[in-house]
Amino acid sequence: EAGVAQSPRYKIIEKRQSVAFWCNPISGHATLYWYQQILGQGPKLLIQFQNNGVVDDSQLPKDRFSAERLKGVDSTLKIQPAKLEDSAVYLCASSLDRPYEQFFGPGTRLTVL
Amino acid sequence: RKEVEQDPGPFNVPEGATVAFNCTYSNSASQSFFWYRQDCRKEPKLLMSVYSSGNEDGRFTAQLNRASQYISLLIRDSKLSDSATYLCVVTPGGTDKLIFGTGTRLQVFP
Repeated sequence: EAGVAQSPRYKIIEKRQSVAFWCNPISGHATLYWYQQILGQGPKLLIQFQNNGVVDDSQLPKDRFSAERLKGVDSTLKIQPAKLEDSAVYLCASSLDRPYEQFFGPGTRLTVL
Repeated sequence: RKEVEQDPGPFNVPEGATVAFNCTYSNSASQSFFWYRQDCRKEPKLLMSVYSSGNEDGRFTAQLNRASQYISLLIRDSKLSDSATYLCVVTPGGTDKLIFGTGTRLQVFP
C-alpha cells in the first residue's frame, strides 16, 4: 500500500515570498491533516479536512496560510507571504476510520531566509 | 502551561537497559492517549495506545494515571533501533484532534 506522498521534500525561499506544498493521502482515507513541526517541538495541527470540507482550522494563521482539498483527495497548503518563523517541517497525514492512527508523509522541510 | 509536557532528554542508555519516559497533560477532560515514535528526520508513527488498565506490546509498556494526569512509557531490554524521539499524544474531550508533546529523545548506545 502506497503511503502519504508529499512534495517538494525541501524548499528554501526568502521572506515575503510565496510557497505551496502538495499532499496525496493514502487511497481511501477521507481525513487529511496538515501539521507544522518546528525544530525541537511536536507537530502542531494547522488544518483538518474530512473529504473536501474543513473540520478544524482554528490554528491556521489565516492571514498568510491557506489550504484546499477541492476534490476530496489531494491537498495543497500555501503560505503567502512567508515569514522567518515559518521555517519548519510541514507534515501531511491521513486517516481512515481511526482518527488517532494517522499516517504521516515524509514532510516538506521549509527554510525561510 | 503547555497542554502536554515531556522531558526533552536526551536519555542516553546502554543496550539492554530499561528506560522510562513520563508525560503530563493539563486538560482533565482528555479522553485518549497515545505514544508516537519519530526517527531522526522522519515522520511520526503510532507506537501504541495507552489504556487506563495499562497495556503491553512486547518490550513496551504504557500506563495511564488519570488522577495525576500522567502517562508513562517503559522500554525494557533497549535495542540500538529504539533510538528515536517518543512523542506523547493526547486527544481533548469531544474531539479527535491530536495534541503532541515536544517529545523525549532516546539514544541507545552499544
